[in-house]
Amino acid sequence: GDSVTQMEGPVTLSEEAFLTINCTYTATGYPSLFWYVQYPGEGLQLLLKATKADDKGSNKGFEATYRKETTSFHLEKGSVQVSDSAVYFCALRDGGATNKLIFGTGTLLAVQP
Amino acid sequence: GAVVSQHPSRVICKSGTSVKIECRSLDFQATTMFWYRQFPKQSLMLMATSNEGSKATYEQGVEKDKFLINHASLTLSTLTVTSAHPEDSSFYICSAGGGRGGMNTEAFFGQGTRLTVV
Repeated sequence: GDSVTQMEGPVTLSEEAFLTINCTYTATGYPSLFWYVQYPGEGLQLLLKATKADDKGSNKGFEATYRKETTSFHLEKGSVQVSDSAVYFCALRDGGATNKLIFGTGTLLAVQP
Repeated sequence: GAVVSQHPSRVICKSGTSVKIECRSLDFQATTMFWYRQFPKQSLMLMATSNEGSKATYEQGVEKDKFLINHASLTLSTLTVTSAHPEDSSFYICSAGGGRGGMNTEAFFGQGTRLTVV
């Protein structure tokens, strides 16, 4: 079945460092891809999304490009801040009858000043 | 954006008792809500799809008699863990929106409930 694999954390970076969190997926159809962020003590929030191949989602300085050829949706940010410290989840929506979300394991990002 | 409120955020209960978790959509009507469970260092796993006014749809391997879901109104879904055991200890998260037919509809998540069964 459909699945999402993302890099294990924690990822620890210094402020202003470059961030990449890898995410790859397996899907039989044409899924939509998402990155969600969970700040401490809060629910998951949609960070960005892409609905078809070569689409680039972006928000708050974060970007991810839907790469069908490599089945990837890596999250990047050029300069992280302490306030970016959170858990990041890659997810796909299968686009089938249920439209359910399938999540990766989550990656904890810790940014140090 | 829309707000989904989940209550309680933490609960500790004795083995054999039942626990109810509420999920409310505060500023929109949700015909569909989703319940997820998250084990440490693992994915959020979809347990069931809660449909307003009808029976929930459970994922394979999820015991419907163990995890009772009620979606009596367009703003409230409840998950009751019946006869809880220590292995039911987990983080439970609900979401609303992004349901059937809503390919580009954003799903909004509650804050999650940490259940500990002792």
